[in-house]
Amino acid sequence: NAGVTQTPKFQVLKTGQSMTLQCAQDMNHEYMSWYRQDPGMGLRLIHYSVGAGITDQGEVPNGYNVSRSTTEDFPLRLLSAAPSQTSVYFCASSSGGVQYFGPGTRLTVL
Amino acid sequence: KQEVTQIPAALSVPEGENLVLNCSFTDSAIYNLQWFRQDPGKGLTSLLLIQSSQREQTSGRLNASLDKSSGRSTLYIAASQPGDSATYLCAVRKSNTKAAGNKLTFGGGTRVLVKP
Repeated sequence: NAGVTQTPKFQVLKTGQSMTLQCAQDMNHEYMSWYRQDPGMGLRLIHYSVGAGITDQGEVPNGYNVSRSTTEDFPLRLLSAAPSQTSVYFCASSSGGVQYFGPGTRLTVL
Repeated sequence: KQEVTQIPAALSVPEGENLVLNCSFTDSAIYNLQWFRQDPGKGLTSLLLIQSSQREQTSGRLNASLDKSSGRSTLYIAASQPGDSATYLCAVRKSNTKAAGNKLTFGGGTRVLVKP
């Protein structure tokens, strides 16, 4: 049981580039979420999903897209990276109770 | 809008002392509250989850209390050890409806250092 996995662990992008952060869980959880963690701002919700085919916006969705074609996977796409998107990104999943987090992706946008 | 605050932002104690970590929230209409631990450069690990109908939860040396009406939760760690050094975060979930998802609002965290 791997839990919640995220790839890559580290990424450096140039302004304007696009990329996808991968997230997968093997616990058959309905709920999955993406958060970003910034110094002094804490963790903020970007997008979330309540099941395959269903996604919605969180607190800071601008510049990010998500999709959920399967229960297991919830990728986060940066359409045109900006320096303000430099952050640590965490994916989380739950069945409605305890929330389980992945190890994070540290993203730097130059 | 729910706001979650953790004070102090940092705390240093000698080994063996009991730790008391505070979490306050502005909207008492919560579904549950969760305490997490985060080690440097790592993800979050869930420590305790308290449902809104509960007053406390215990796991080993950890005890978390919840006073929903006053908007407060406290995490107690008994007989602290250097291995307890980490950042502790609390988070509240407002709604239990499926449409709302399992959205959490986080506090800023308390960074704890336990000195040997």
